[in-house]
Parts: sequence; structure tokens; C-alpha cells
Amino acid sequence: GAVVSQHPSWVICKSGTSVKIECRSLDFQATTMFWYRQFPKQSLMLMATSNEGSKATYEQGVEKDKFLINHASLTLSTLTVTSAHPEDSSFYICSARDVGLGNQPQHFGDGTRLSIL
Amino acid sequence: QQQVKQSPQSLIVQKGGISIINCAYENTAFDYFPWYQQFPGKGPALLIAIRPDVSEKKEGRFTISFNKSAKQFSLHIMDSQPGDSATYFCAEGGSQGNLIFGKGTKLSVKP
Repeated sequence: GAVVSQHPSWVICKSGTSVKIECRSLDFQATTMFWYRQFPKQSLMLMATSNEGSKATYEQGVEKDKFLINHASLTLSTLTVTSAHPEDSSFYICSARDVGLGNQPQHFGDGTRLSIL
Repeated sequence: QQQVKQSPQSLIVQKGGISIINCAYENTAFDYFPWYQQFPGKGPALLIAIRPDVSEKKEGRFTISFNKSAKQFSLHIMDSQPGDSATYFCAEGGSQGNLIFGKGTKLSVKP
């Protein structure tokens, strides 16, 4: 149980394009999903907290107009990297909490490796 | 963003040995302390977690020891196996459901 699916797993695109990453909770409902960014050999840094039906809460230093988050249902959140540039290349990981189990734990997807040329 | 202090950065252990990774936290408002295991190219997977009302939790070969007064907690991997080679992250969780991660420990178990 508690499976989080992330799609795509790897994307390569040209500078200036926008990229959408999907995060789905497959066997549970998630009112809250989290988006992280991870650089090689580094820790996970929280980018934003996504709540179903409301605006996402962004961490300090994260551009909300660049990283658009939509959480339209209890099982789907999307992260769109707009006008992506090479410095946006990274490993993006989402996680979700099961509504029925309180605040913890978070279950993670397998991440999306984004490469901007 | 406040981080949990994790050590060592890397660890090499012989097969069958004990792997020990330590973390120290500062904010006593957090009440959930998980350990995650991450393989290259994959997302973190929850390994084991503890709350401050207990001092130790064991699940199979994995044990968390929690020292509330010292604000430290550690992961012990008994009988370490090559398949345990991965990066391990400690974290602290709060009432909002957020997690703050340590910087990670790369564990290599030699056959």
C-alpha cells in the first residue's frame, strides 16, 4: 500500500520550454502533497507544500511563478516548470500523506530527472 | 531552512558488520523522526520511524535509538548486507506534516 507514482521518470527538453510533472497517490487519498528538489549527492530540499483545492505554499527562495503547482484532486498534484533553463535541471521528487493516517508518514514517488539543454 | 545534522557523510562497513548513522536535531517541537533509504535514481523509501515517547524501536535488522535529552537519534543496521548499500537520510517531522532532512549518509557494505 501507500504507492506514489510520478511521471515522467526522465525528461529532456530544450531551454525555454515548459515541463509538467505528475504525482499521483495510487491507493490512498492525499490532501497534502510535497514537492522536493534534489541535486546530485545532496539532500532533499522542500520546494512547496500542495494542498488539495487551495494554493500551494512555497518555501523561501522558490519562485512560485516558475514552479506552478496544481492539486486539483485528492490523488493528483502537478508541478510545471515554466520556461525551463539549464539551471532548473535537477531531480524532482514528490511525496504524499495518507489522509487517514494523520500528519505522517510521507510516501515518496520515484522522482523525475529533468535535463534542460 | 533548518537542517538535521547527520553524520558520517559516508560509511564503509564489511558484510555482517553493524552500520551506525547519527543525527542531531535542535527543534524540540518536532515529534516524528524517520529514516529513509534511497537508491540511485529512486525516491526515498521509509525504513523506520520513531516518536519521542520511546527510546528505541526495532524492525528486523534496523533499530532506531532515541535520546531525547541529548536531542539525538541514530540508526543501527545489524548484519549489514551489500544490498543495504544506499544513501540514508534522517529527518524530523512536525505537526504540519512537513519533513526536514539531514544531508545523508552514503553507506557501502563490502562483501
